[in-house]
Amino acid sequence: EAGVTQFPSHSVIEKGQTVTLRCDPISGHDNLYWYRRVMGKEIKFLLHFVKESKQDESGMPNNRFLAERTGGTYSTLKVQPAELEDSGVYFCASSHRQGTPYEQYFGPGTRLTVT
Amino acid sequence: QKEVEQNSGPLSVPEGAIASLNCTYSDRVSQSFFWYRQYSGKSPELIMSIYSNGDKEDGRFTAQLNKASQYVSLLIRDSQPSDSATYLCAVKDTGRRALTFGSGTRLQVQP
Repeated sequence: EAGVTQFPSHSVIEKGQTVTLRCDPISGHDNLYWYRRVMGKEIKFLLHFVKESKQDESGMPNNRFLAERTGGTYSTLKVQPAELEDSGVYFCASSHRQGTPYEQYFGPGTRLTVT
Repeated sequence: QKEVEQNSGPLSVPEGAIASLNCTYSDRVSQSFFWYRQYSGKSPELIMSIYSNGDKEDGRFTAQLNKASQYVSLLIRDSQPSDSATYLCAVKDTGRRALTFGSGTRLQVQP
């Protein structure tokens, strides 16, 4: 079974530019989560999808961040315009709807550097 | 402010010893607890979950939960150099799926 995949693995952009991160969850996982880790800090929750619906977006830092999950499969996280403080590693995770729904499996992350 | 606290380490143990990692959390309504292992530059890997008070064993790993004292721990028996990594404690609150992470404890197993 393939794990959570994320693209790109690294992205370097200039302040003010736009970047879109993509996450493909484990097949059959209805729940998809975005987290990020900025330098020296803990991994922080951003938002949670159940299928295509945003269930909890309480961790989104501001309206420069837009997450979508059209069709309930893969998800994108767009940052527009990017600021220096957006640099960090963005992780995606997914979990089952049933069985062990609270166990979240993480992807490799996208390292975003804003210069 | 909900918090999950971990000693950053490094915790250094000799090969074959028991490594004991601890985590405390501030929110009494927390219901689910997880330990993740993260190698440098890699993704967090789920190694243990625990939902009720007591011990849960899986191979060389034992998770211990004490909700009254608000702590959760991870024991690694017969530690191996390959266990050297950062161990992250994560807590899920009632009614939400979001995980709150600690900053992690770096474990070094000396050959």
